[in-house]
Amino acid sequence: GAVVSQHPSRVICKSGTSVKIECRSLDFQATTMFWYRQFPKQSLMLMATSNEGSKATYEQGVEKDKFLINHASLTLSTLTVTSAHPEDSSFYICSVPGEGYGYTFGSGTRLTVV
Amino acid sequence: QKEVEQNSGPLSVPEGAIASLNCTYSDRGSQSFFWYRQYSGKSPELIMSIYSNGDKEDGRFTAQLNKASQYVSLLIRDSQPSDSATYLCAVTGGNKLVFGAGTILRVKS
Repeated sequence: GAVVSQHPSRVICKSGTSVKIECRSLDFQATTMFWYRQFPKQSLMLMATSNEGSKATYEQGVEKDKFLINHASLTLSTLTVTSAHPEDSSFYICSVPGEGYGYTFGSGTRLTVV
Repeated sequence: QKEVEQNSGPLSVPEGAIASLNCTYSDRGSQSFFWYRQYSGKSPELIMSIYSNGDKEDGRFTAQLNKASQYVSLLIRDSQPSDSATYLCAVTGGNKLVFGAGTILRVKS
């Protein structure tokens, strides 16, 4: 399957600041990537679909102005959490879809907003 | 009705036993079905994928799909303590992957 690299793995930021998370597809050109969020003891919830060269598609209830997604190349998608607040603390995971081998996930980013 | 439903568990089985995990889905148009394993604090890793009715075996794992009943299951033979994790059933809806809430599996030695 695809090899996906996600950075940083952990980040602690102050309330009101912004945090950028990177997701790289190392061996596969991904026109689409997905961003998920997972709160403790809950399942993964799809936040948005990142589309190379065009605007991201956000799921219902996800604020597009707060969670900025940029998919500038076939190997890189970024998620920026703007004006972060403690309730944004979560585990953020990206994934890359692939034919025949499912969807490969990045290692995830644990965001803590203090 | 949730799109993908799983029993949250925990499902406890003794070491060496067969663990049976079940999942139902609501979208009859779904084409691809996956089982992921997730350890605490880690991202999901793919265990099995299945696309057609019947059984698919890979080592100790067997995935079973019944599209008429909208049901997919995962059997883990000779369960090991290292199999203790949350197992997520996922189904494609369009090009999106929709997850169930996950079943916690505990294998006791």
